[in-house]
Order: sequence, then structure tokens, then C-alpha cells
Amino acid sequence: EAGVAQSPRYKIIEKRQSVAFWCNPISGHATLYWYQQILGQGPKLLIQFQNNGVVDDSQLPKDRFSAERLKGVDSTLKIQPAKLEDSAVYLCASSTGTAQETQYFGPGTRLLVL
Amino acid sequence: GNSVTQMEGPVTLSEEAFLTINCTYTATGYPSLFWYVQYPGEGLQLLLKATKADDKGSNKGFEATYRKETTSFHLEKGSVQVSDSAVYFCASMDTGRRALTFGSGTRLQVQP
Repeated sequence: EAGVAQSPRYKIIEKRQSVAFWCNPISGHATLYWYQQILGQGPKLLIQFQNNGVVDDSQLPKDRFSAERLKGVDSTLKIQPAKLEDSAVYLCASSTGTAQETQYFGPGTRLLVL
Repeated sequence: GNSVTQMEGPVTLSEEAFLTINCTYTATGYPSLFWYVQYPGEGLQLLLKATKADDKGSNKGFEATYRKETTSFHLEKGSVQVSDSAVYFCASMDTGRRALTFGSGTRLQVQP
């Protein structure tokens, strides 16, 4: 079974530029998560989708971050404009959507904002 | 909101030593508890989990018991190997929310 796919793996941009990350979850997984992991910290949830609807985006900085999951499969996370403090690893995870389910993580996209 | 606190690293051990990584949580209800591991250059992988009080999760020689009275979920292994060198994350999942709340991670280095 294929795992969670993410691209690109690495991205370097200058502040105030835009960037987009892509995630393809495990086939059949209804729930998709985006986490931000700053160096030396644990991952922090940015947004959670159930199929193509948003369940929780309370910690998403909506003035600069946006995310969508069209057709309930792939998802894109965008930052516009980027700030220095956005330098982090962006992790995508998916799960079946049942109670107490295991979340499966992708390899992450490492973003460096200069 | 929920939070998870785990011991700071790095933890450096010799091969075959006993490992304990402490983890405590705060929650309004009775969350599910998890340990995830991140090997060098790889993504997060579930190591073990427990969904209710007194449950014991186990995998690859690692164990952790859900202790409601001390709000803890300490990770243990009787004899570590060099291949166990990784970063270990404790996490909780609120039953109403389903997203994971992670601790800051503990780096384990096992020397031969």
C-alpha cells in the first residue's frame, strides 16, 4: 500500500514570496491533516479536512495561509506572503476517519524562508 | 486546551541499557495516547498507542502504560539497540477533536 506522498521535499524562498505544498493521502482515507513542525518542536496542527470539508482550522494563520482539498483527495497548502518564522517542516497526514484512528504521515516538505 | 510534556533530550545510552522517556499530559477528558518515532531522514511513524486507562501499548520491545492517576504515558524499553536512535514524540488525541497534540520530542542516541 502506498503511503502519504508530499512534494516538493525541499523549498527555499525569500520572504514575501508565495509557496505551495501538495499532499496525496493514502487511498480511501477520508481525513487529511496538515501540521507545521518548527525545528526543535513537535508538530502543530494547522488544518484538518474530513473528505473535502474543513473540520478544524483554528490554528491556521488565515491572513497568509490557505488550504484546499478539492474532490476530497489531494490537498494543497499555500503560504502568501511568506515570513521568516514560516521556516519549518510541513507534514501531511491521513487517516480513515474512524474513532481513535492511527494517522499516517508523509515525509514532509522542508521550507526555508530567507 | 490539551498539552503534552516530555523529557528533554538528548538521551544518550549505551547499547543494551534500559530506556525510559517520560511523558505527561493534560486533558479535559480521557484522550488516546500515542508514541511516534522519527528515524533520521524518515517521516513520523506510529510506535504504539493506548486508548483507555491501564491499557499497555507495545511494539518492537517498547512499552508504555496509560496511567490516568498520574496522567502519564512513559515509554520504556529493556535493552536498547543502536538502531533505536531516533526522535521520539509523545502525543494525545482528544476524543472530540481527533487531531494530535504532540510533545516537543526526545532525541535518543544509542552508542555501541
